[in-house]
Amino acid sequence: AQSVTQLGSHVSVSEGALVLLRCNYSSSVPPYLFWYVQYPNQGLQLLLKYTTGATLVKGINGFEAEFKKSETSFHLTKPSAHMSDAAEYFCAVSDSRDYGQNFVFGPGTRLSVLP
Amino acid sequence: EAGVTQSPTHLIKTRGQQATLRCSPISGHTSVYWYQQALGLGLQFLLWYDEGEERNRGNFPPRFSGRQFPNYSSELNVNALELEDSALYLCASSLDALQGREYFGPGTRLTVT
Repeated sequence: AQSVTQLGSHVSVSEGALVLLRCNYSSSVPPYLFWYVQYPNQGLQLLLKYTTGATLVKGINGFEAEFKKSETSFHLTKPSAHMSDAAEYFCAVSDSRDYGQNFVFGPGTRLSVLP
Repeated sequence: EAGVTQSPTHLIKTRGQQATLRCSPISGHTSVYWYQQALGLGLQFLLWYDEGEERNRGNFPPRFSGRQFPNYSSELNVNALELEDSALYLCASSLDALQGREYFGPGTRLTVT
């Protein structure tokens, strides 16, 4: 079974600073990995996903994440934070063999961007 | 292209009542997933429908049920509402069971008083 941990339920950065949101996963099979963003009172929006191929994945809004198998990590980064990035971010993992059945979300990290 | 839509946006019910939440997937998508996002509990998987059949359900009691219609829209029913059912209920759709949950609706906020 898959599981996801996100270090830090709340992260604060200054506008213009690097954003780093951590995600570690556990999976007995090659995983598919996802990052979602949720703005207040809204649904989830997919930021990026890793399935196969290049381990550095670029997503929307300037975010990217790197799959590191040896570290079982899929951390989300953005070089320069913008006020509009303030939201909750969820990492998710699925079983690449059984995509439909096993899809687990992490607990989320709330990102605050300070002026 | 219209995204995943959910109705109603907000729903207020009293304990013991029944709630019905609706989800319309993106055109052409046959899989619909329901999630509960309760305060402090994160996103919990509820139900997965594909081609009109329930494929999987999460660890929720039987009073949480649903169905998928021939047009692939879906309904989530919650019977005998309890206060802890208050949550944001999110629906996602995908092209088929092999795709990820890439498209989520805006959610229905259910409040049980």
